Amino acid sequence: EIVMTQSPAALSVSPGGRATVSCRASQTIGDNLAWYQQKPGQAPRLLIYTASKRATDIPTRFSGSRSGTEFTLTISSVQSEDFAIYYCQQYNSWPSMNTFGQGTKLEIK
Amino acid sequence: EVQLVESGGALVQPGGSLRLSCAASGFTSSLYFMSWVRQAPGKGLEWVANIQQDGSHRYYLDSVKGRFTISRDNAKNSLYLQMDSLRVEDTALYYCARESSVAAPYYFDLWGLGTLVTVSS
Repeated sequence: EIVMTQSPAALSVSPGGRATVSCRASQTIGDNLAWYQQKPGQAPRLLIYTASKRATDIPTRFSGSRSGTEFTLTISSVQSEDFAIYYCQQYNSWPSMNTFGQGTKLEIK
Repeated sequence: EVQLVESGGALVQPGGSLRLSCAASGFTSSLYFMSWVRQAPGKGLEWVANIQQDGSHRYYLDSVKGRFTISRDNAKNSLYLQMDSLRVEDTALYYCARESSVAAPYYFDLWGLGTLVTVSS
């Protein structure tokens, strides 16, 4: 099983600030990584796929990058609506055993 | 509107059974792989099972193999999860999720709001 190690578990950022979330895969997964946003009481929402491609209607302040087995989600200027939990997910193991990171809670500073 | 709506969650005793349903609308679900993903209270996301477009191939998380069965009815645009021999550790919010159709391998591009399954005596 591919283990996704996500950090930090929680992140405090002021509105307008920059947020960076990291995710490390236990083995190579190519670019087969997605990022999701989850707000309380809402369904998870796809933000990024193939490591760096923004999903439909996702603002340009969200970006993804990859360096080997390290992946990064960056929010360039955090808005109030961005405070949520963020998950990474590898789908290199598809069709089965897609695994998620533990999540990062983005909080208001 | 493109959406997924889950139903069927309930409180059930350990060893009991439950059948979850997911109704798709606004798109033709028969064109997509479909999955169930769960989230235990206060925990992260865990993929549970998925099924190919025509139902010919199904895949499961090891801990649910032999206990859960995923199925679909494309004529009804619906997805199901039959859950037998339920355990306390199966307690979670169960999401129905659509897998992207662009090119394999697939990620999840649409999620429902979930249905809550509580296994407790």
